[in-house]
This record gives sequence, C-alpha cells and structure tokens, in this order.
Amino acid sequence: GAVVSQHPSWVICKSGTSVKIECRSLDFQATTMFWYRQFPKQSLMLMATSNEGSKATYEQGVEKDKFLINHASLTLSTLTVTSAHPEDSSFYICSANIRLDTEAFFGQGTRLTVV
Amino acid sequence: GNSVTQMEGPVTLSEEAFLTINCTYTATGYPSLFWYVQYPGEGLQLLLKATKADDKGSNKGFEATYRKETTSFHLEKGSVQVSDSAVYFCALTTANTGNQFYFGTGTSLTVIP
Repeated sequence: GAVVSQHPSWVICKSGTSVKIECRSLDFQATTMFWYRQFPKQSLMLMATSNEGSKATYEQGVEKDKFLINHASLTLSTLTVTSAHPEDSSFYICSANIRLDTEAFFGQGTRLTVV
Repeated sequence: GNSVTQMEGPVTLSEEAFLTINCTYTATGYPSLFWYVQYPGEGLQLLLKATKADDKGSNKGFEATYRKETTSFHLEKGSVQVSDSAVYFCALTTANTGNQFYFGTGTSLTVIP
C-alpha cells in the first residue's frame, strides 16, 4: 500500500520554542493531507485540512497562528507548533489520501513533549 | 452530521477468547467504514474496511460487517492472541466531506496469556 512518512517520531522541546513536523507521501501525490491530534486515552481530533498550494482549513477551536500548516508540494505538508507550551504536548498524526480514493494512509505519528 | 460511537474500554481478555468491539455511526450520505489499529508507540494502521451496505471487511482473523439497518460496524475475532493487544478505532469517511475521517474514541484491548 501507499506509504506516508512522518518525521520526527518524537521530539522534546523547551517552552517558547517552535517545532516543525513533516509529513511526506512517499509513493503517491496527495493534494490533501490532514493533521490530527490525539490526547492521552482519547481519540484523534482533526486539527486542519492541508491543501496543496492554498491555505489550510482549520477546525473550530484550533489556533491558526499557533499551528502553522504549509503544503508546498504534492508530497509534503508541514505542521509547525509555534511558541510551544506544555499543554501542546500530544501525539500528532498526519494522513494523506490518494486522489479519487477514500482510503487514508497515516504517518507514524509524532510525540511532542514540551518541557 | 457525522459521528462514530464506539464501545469504551479497556477490554481485557484471555488468549483465544472471542472479541467483540461495538461501533455505531451517524452519517450524512453514504459512508465508508473502517477499523484502524494502533499498537503501542506507533501510528494507525488500517485493519479492515467496508464501503457499502452488507459488505464484510476481514483481515488477520478480524471481521466487521457494514449494517446499514442498524448503522453498525462491530469488530469481531474468534480467537484473540497476545499480539492483538492494541487500541482499535472505528472510523468513517464520506465523499462529501472531502475524505476527512471521523473517529470513535478508541478501545484499548489487552490480551493476557
């Protein structure tokens, strides 16, 4: 099946710094990628929909200026957590869809810990 | 709107026991239904899916049947193994929501020898 690679798989950063997470579709082009956040013992909540060449669409309650999403090419979307705080510590997962297909392929996830 | 309601866990079973994890949904339009599995420290992996009513998805001994009349997609396995210990997510997507996924809360399964 198609492969989505997410990097890094884990990161620890200090409060106030920014962290960039990459999501790459390795063997297909993805016009749309999704970013999810998973809180401990909870399900995945959609944060935003990333569209190649245009601005991301954010879900209600997600701060656009804090979670910057860039989808510069058909194989790469990035999520930057700016001025991170401990409450941003979470598991972030991206997914990408093959065009005209409903199945999503998920990255391995990134565990962010802000200290 | 679209939503998924999933049986809460955690679930603890002995090896070779029968497993059922209930999942029901509400959706606008005609959803595709999925079960994803998340092993400790890893991302989500597709376990099985069904795209229309009465379809049965199956993989690795797991099965789930798309029941439109009861809006359900219950996951079953006849004989669980220790290696099945993971968190299981029921999910749906519809074409009219641009392939966005809606997930249940997840059910943690622990299988003991």
